Amino acid sequence: SAVISQKPSRDICQRGTSLTIQCQVDSQVTMMFWYRQQPGQSLTLIATANQGSEATYESGFVIDKFPISRPNLTFSTLTVSNMSPEDSSIYLCSAHWQDGNTIYFGEGSWLTVV
Amino acid sequence: GENVEQHPSTLSVQEGDSAVIKCTYSDSASNYFPWYKQELGKRPQLIIDIRSNVGEKKDQRIAVTLNKTAKHFSLHITETQPEDSAVYFCAASIGGGSYIPTFGRGTSLIVHP
Repeated sequence: SAVISQKPSRDICQRGTSLTIQCQVDSQVTMMFWYRQQPGQSLTLIATANQGSEATYESGFVIDKFPISRPNLTFSTLTVSNMSPEDSSIYLCSAHWQDGNTIYFGEGSWLTVV
Repeated sequence: GENVEQHPSTLSVQEGDSAVIKCTYSDSASNYFPWYKQELGKRPQLIIDIRSNVGEKKDQRIAVTLNKTAKHFSLHITETQPEDSAVYFCAASIGGGSYIPTFGRGTSLIVHP
């Protein structure tokens, strides 16, 4: 399987601040996604990161809160803006390759907002 | 859109027993069904998948079955071991489309030594 690297892996953030998570893939991919996984919960899709254009957000997620960039086919960032304790979660980058249906996940970024 | 229901939410078995996790889906156009295992503090990892042109697939101690008519699929783990303890997620997606999977809520499997 491909290598998907995320950083930071873990952070403790102050309420009201913003944090940017980076995701790097070791080969060009068709699609990149960002998921949120709250403690003990399933995986919730935040948005699809589109190369060279605005991300496509799922219901309940907005660009002002979760701005996403994807400047090329192997890199994307997710910013969690104006954080509150409710944003404490694992944020996972994932990617899909054109030669298959499977998506693979990065290691995740564990954010705790205090 | 697609809706995936997963049961049970928690499954506790003794080492050596079998474990079965079941999922149902709503969109008959879904044709790709992966299963992910997530150990505590780690990323979800693909463990097995099945496409709609196949009714069953096995990989050592794990197997997945698919009933397209009833729109349900199941994960079977035989001879369970403590290292099988994890949260398992099923998913359904439409291959050839956006590939974005819809995930079930997860099953916490606990294997007691």
